[in-house]
Amino acid sequence: DAKTTQPNSMESNEEEPVHLPCNHSTISGTDYIHWYRQLPSQGPEYVIHGLTSNVNNRMASLAIAEDRKSSTLILHRATLRDAAVYYCIPASSGSARQLTFGSGTQLTVLP
Amino acid sequence: NAGVTQTPKFQVLKTGQSMTLQCAQDMNHNSMYWYRQDPGMGLRLIYYSASEGTTDKGEVPNGYNVSRLNKREFSLRLESAAPSQTSVYFCASRWGEYNEQFFGPGTRLTVL
Repeated sequence: DAKTTQPNSMESNEEEPVHLPCNHSTISGTDYIHWYRQLPSQGPEYVIHGLTSNVNNRMASLAIAEDRKSSTLILHRATLRDAAVYYCIPASSGSARQLTFGSGTQLTVLP
Repeated sequence: NAGVTQTPKFQVLKTGQSMTLQCAQDMNHNSMYWYRQDPGMGLRLIYYSASEGTTDKGEVPNGYNVSRLNKREFSLRLESAAPSQTSVYFCASRWGEYNEQFFGPGTRLTVL
C-alpha cells in the first residue's frame, strides 16, 4: 500500500474554503485515492474518491495532481459540522479493496 | 434502511473472558470488515470477508476469530480477552470493488 503524508492538524474559519493536502508519492497506477472523515465518537464516513481526474460531489471536491503523487480535498464552505479527522487513503485494486487508515488530519472549524 | 448496526455499543470484560461482537448490514453488500481503533490512532483492519462464505486476515488478526454467518451478518469473537484488546471496534460493509465502505457506530470495549 502507498504511504501517505498529511498534516496532523489544520484550522479553518466557518464558511471559508478549506484545502486539505495529502502526499502519496508511492501510489501505484491503479490505486484510487479515497477520502474518508471521522466525526467525534462516530465511525468513518466516505467523502469522495478519484483516479486521475478532479472529482466533485455534494460534500467536497478532490483535486489530483497530474503526476498523482499528491491530492487535495477541498471543502468549499466549512461548517462546524465539518470538524473531523480526514483520512487520505490510496486503495489498491482487488476484490476486497481494503482501506489502510493512517493518522489523518484533525480539522478544527472556528466559529 | 438501518445501514450497518453493531451490538453491543459498550462492553467491559475481565481478562480471559470471551465475547462476540455482532455486526449486520441491510444494504445487500458483498464485503464486510472488522477494524479496531486505539486512542489517537487510525483504524486497523482485523479481518474481512470479500463475499459470503469467505474470510481473510487483515493487519492485526491475532486474538480474534470471525464468522460470516450469512450475507447480512459478520461477527467478531474474542476467545480470551486481553487488556491490549481494549479499543473501539468498527464494522463496515461495501457493495462492490469501487464503492465506498459504510461504517457502523462502533463498539467500545474495555478489558480489565
